[in-house]
Amino acid sequence: ETGVTQSPTHLIKTRGQQVTLRCSSQSGHNTVSWYQQALGQGPQFIFQYYREEENGRGNFPPRFSGLQFPNYSSELNVNALELDDSALYLCASSSRDGYGYTFGSGTRLTVV
Amino acid sequence: GESVGLHLPTLSVQEGDNSIINCAYSNSASDYFIWYKQESGKGPQFIIDIRSNMDKRQGQRVTVLLNKTVKHLSLQIAATQPGDSAVYFCAERAGGGNKLTFGTGTQLKVEL
Repeated sequence: ETGVTQSPTHLIKTRGQQVTLRCSSQSGHNTVSWYQQALGQGPQFIFQYYREEENGRGNFPPRFSGLQFPNYSSELNVNALELDDSALYLCASSSRDGYGYTFGSGTRLTVV
Repeated sequence: GESVGLHLPTLSVQEGDNSIINCAYSNSASDYFIWYKQESGKGPQFIIDIRSNMDKRQGQRVTVLLNKTVKHLSLQIAATQPGDSAVYFCAERAGGGNKLTFGTGTQLKVEL
């Protein structure tokens, strides 16, 4: 059984640029969620995808968007990067009923 | 609004002692709770979960207790080891919801 994998592990971007982060869900999981974790804080829910559609969204602006593919993998896209977007971005997969939440190791994004 | 918080930001214990990490939640609709361990530079690692129809659940060296009357959750780690040093988060899921709400975390330090 493979776990949740994310890429890249680290990324440095300039303010105003766009970024795409990728996630492969754990085998058997069809739901993917994205979280933002600022330094010293708990993860904050960005959104969730199920059956290739957004299935719930947290308090994040529209410049945060995502995709889910038929193989359940997912992308997180952030446009017009701001300095405050610097954080660890975590992907989690789960079964449809919301149990078995498993996180990846995250992508550390630094915006300069 | 809903929130999950932790009473102690830092907990220091001696190796071999038992550790207790506490968590308060405010959403009475929460039906599922998870404890995660997060080491520096890594994603949250699942430790143990509990559903709201249970009061206690045990794993290997860990026990989670849920008191719905006072909206309190605790994680007990038996015979704490240096490898247990990390930040511990409790997370809750509101009934029928699709996201986890995390607290800010407790830093557990194991002293030799």
